[in-house]
Amino acid sequence: AQSVTQLGSHVSVSEGALVLLRCNYSSSVPPYLFWYVQYPNQGLQLLLKYTTGATLVKGINGFEAEFKKSETSFHLTKPSAHMSDAAEYFCAVSERLGDYKLSFGAGTTVTVRA
Amino acid sequence: ETGVTQSPTHLIKTRGQQVTLRCSSQSGHNTVSWYQQALGQGPQFIFQYYREEENGRGNFPPRFSGLQFPNYSSELNVNALELDDSALYLCASSPGQGEQFFGPGTRLTVL
Repeated sequence: AQSVTQLGSHVSVSEGALVLLRCNYSSSVPPYLFWYVQYPNQGLQLLLKYTTGATLVKGINGFEAEFKKSETSFHLTKPSAHMSDAAEYFCAVSERLGDYKLSFGAGTTVTVRA
Repeated sequence: ETGVTQSPTHLIKTRGQQVTLRCSSQSGHNTVSWYQQALGQGPQFIFQYYREEENGRGNFPPRFSGLQFPNYSSELNVNALELDDSALYLCASSPGQGEQFFGPGTRLTVL
């Protein structure tokens, strides 16, 4: 069984400040981990993914995430928030790439203050 | 290269009706997955199709059914619609072992 818990349903940051979104996972096998972003009335866009290898993963739009097996965490960060980062962010876990279901967290809404 | 497309964009149905949602997968992708995203929640896995066969199913009742066609496009059918079926329905395609690419979704409202 696999599941994801996202801590904090809503995060508000100032433009230029650090963005930190928290994700903890549960998986009975080595996990594949993902962060997706969803803008209003749109589908999901992949920000980054962890499969194997390097635990610090860099994605699009300046985001990165670190896989910490000992903490079962995959937190997403961006050093300096931009107004365009306002969106909903979902963490997801899977047992395989592609031919297996993704299990999503409930999402975190990010608001960026000018 | 055309991405994942879904139709229609929006639709409104009444309780008890049936609905068919459509998804065209990205070129070269043979796996299609469907997800239901209720308002304010994360997407929930409905089922997946690989080369026209169901390849896994989430915790959804049998009135949710699907098809995948030889060109790997797919349909999601929902019978006997209930109010709680109101949601954004997302389709994702993948090239077997690759990552899933999502379409823009179909917003279903059940009155």
